[in-house]
Amino acid sequence: DVKVTQSSRYLVKRTGEKVFLECVQDMDHENMFWYRQDPGLGLRLIYFSYDVKMKEKGDIPEGYSVSREKKERFSLILESASTNQTSMYLCASSFSYNSPGGAYEQYFGPGTRLTVT
Amino acid sequence: SQQGEEDPQALSIQEGENATMNCSYKTSINNLQWYRQNSGRGLVHLILIRSNEREKHSGRLRVTLDTSKKSSSLLITASRAADTASYFCATDPYGNKLVFGAGTILRVKS
Repeated sequence: DVKVTQSSRYLVKRTGEKVFLECVQDMDHENMFWYRQDPGLGLRLIYFSYDVKMKEKGDIPEGYSVSREKKERFSLILESASTNQTSMYLCASSFSYNSPGGAYEQYFGPGTRLTVT
Repeated sequence: SQQGEEDPQALSIQEGENATMNCSYKTSINNLQWYRQNSGRGLVHLILIRSNEREKHSGRLRVTLDTSKKSSSLLITASRAADTASYFCATDPYGNKLVFGAGTILRVKS
């Protein structure tokens, strides 16, 4: 079974703190993703990585950075947490694009509910 | 940017009834996927339908795809209380990345 784990289920941080969210997958997937999920807005892509040390901005990268030093691990960093970053953060992984079949299914971690006060 | 939009936003049915959710999208795709999310948890992949397929079944799930109308539907037959969850469609207009809709909240009353 594919397993995607996230370092914390719940996290409470103060405004201005640096926050690290860790994600690990055990399926040798090339792709890894970070999303945030807010009520009524669905999932929005923050960053995407398609290989070690390779990354691509998603729809809402402002205020976030990422690191992928090893294939199985993808970290999301909030450089200076703000209250508008209070959200559910979801990590996912998948195999790489396979034309003409299209994108592979993504496997999600359980999510981290981050509260910034 | 939201590519997929689900309809209805919320659906409440009795156990044993069928539940139908619809998804519309805007640009061409290679495939469309449906996911389920139980409250406060991560998403779980349910089914993938390719752009050259019109219908696909998996257990009590039936998915249809109409590329001319850029729409898909997910039918859950003989629903159970355990089907209570949010359901999302996702499309792949940009290669590896998926674009998710805002989801349909399904409540199955026992």
